[in-house]
Amino acid sequence: EIVMTQSPATLSVSPGERATLSCGASQSVSRNLAWYQQKPGQSPRLLIYDASTRATGVPDRFSGSGSGTEFTLTISSLQSEDFAVYYCQQYHDWPRFGPGTKVDVK
Amino acid sequence: QLVESGGGLVKPGESLRLSCAASGFIFSDYTINWVRQAPGRGLEWVASISSDSGYIYYADSVEGRFTISRDNPRNSLSLLMNSLRAEDTAVYYCARVVEGTTGVGDAFDIWGQGTMVTVSS
Repeated sequence: EIVMTQSPATLSVSPGERATLSCGASQSVSRNLAWYQQKPGQSPRLLIYDASTRATGVPDRFSGSGSGTEFTLTISSLQSEDFAVYYCQQYHDWPRFGPGTKVDVK
Repeated sequence: QLVESGGGLVKPGESLRLSCAASGFIFSDYTINWVRQAPGRGLEWVASISSDSGYIYYADSVEGRFTISRDNPRNSLSLLMNSLRAEDTAVYYCARVVEGTTGVGDAFDIWGQGTMVTVSS
């Protein structure tokens, strides 16, 4: 069983600043890693898959990197609509999600 | 899009059937999954069914109690949940997989709005 971790649990950022979110896997997942954004009362939205491929319609301020066991989601300049919870998910094995990082206003 | 229905309040040990209606894409071309989210908690994969129903998989937590099925001519997906437990309380989402990924599992590019299942006496 692959266990996913995310850090920090909460990230406080000012609008316009850069946000860097981390995701770890207990064993290698190659590049089989996705990132989702979820706002209160909404379903998750796919941002990134295959570690660095942006999903259709996702702004280029979102970027993903990493492989193996360590991954990063970077939001280059945070907009007001980006305050949300972000989950990573591995699909190298049966899908498992990380516990999430909440990005809130500093 | 995907639209779930069928959620509600049931007692432990009872059954419930969830449905998911698809539109706007060729439903029969895609593997579809169920993913759930307990109140205030993270996301948990539940089950997967391939485009032709030839491959079906379940999370250990629901294996033997839940049954996933699909009706391609009707563009619909179902999840029959038996022997429900309090820990099955969650919002249940159906989700379409991203095409072309190489893992055992999948990433999900289209999600429904979810349907709430509450198991309580």
